[in-house]
Amino acid sequence: KNEVEQSPQNLTAQEGEFITINCSYSVGISALHWLQQHPGGGIVSLFMLSSGKKKHGRLIATINIQEKHSSLHITASHPRDSAVYICAVTASGSRLTFGEGTQLTVNP
Amino acid sequence: DTEVTQTPKHLVMGMTNKKSLKCEQHMGHRAMYWYKQKAKKPPELMFVYSYEKLSINESVPSRFSPECPNSSLLNLHLHALQPEDSALYLCASSQKLELYNEQFFGPGTRLTVL
Repeated sequence: KNEVEQSPQNLTAQEGEFITINCSYSVGISALHWLQQHPGGGIVSLFMLSSGKKKHGRLIATINIQEKHSSLHITASHPRDSAVYICAVTASGSRLTFGEGTQLTVNP
Repeated sequence: DTEVTQTPKHLVMGMTNKKSLKCEQHMGHRAMYWYKQKAKKPPELMFVYSYEKLSINESVPSRFSPECPNSSLLNLHLHALQPEDSALYLCASSQKLELYNEQFFGPGTRLTVL
């Protein structure tokens, strides 16, 4: 069993829909990261959080430390949101343990 | 400047070639990372440098040789690679290895070994 599990693996949505991607982890962590990777490679850090909730534009990330669970929400989804979303955790220092990623496709 | 740059973007090499990948950051970060990423998989950590010293080597074959000549620059020297080494190679940096702070990733070098 992976230390970081994401669901779903693949997600297809229509433009405008509300999207949720889930992440569960089994280890004690100091921080949880949500990353975005577009086709072609580069990875962008969306959020780093250790408690509560963070919002940036149409993206919202929440974490429940007691339940070892985090969610990434995208409101009013758009085709440009199509990407792979990766959950990663740091147990100590800044070394990342990655989930397998969620491939999101938003159709116009 | 919050950017990590990598060159080249694409590289095709034969199994007998020697080539190098380059990564640069000017954010004053003292931890730098090399990752290998195969298609539809998350990145796998290869090496970590902390204050220009090799801190972590994830049992990477010796045909990959990292180098950190100064605090802004990270190289990955490649020699006698195998076709299975074809992948996206990502560089990242963070403020310090021992702090839980975010990593900034470069755009990657897509490597094809023939």
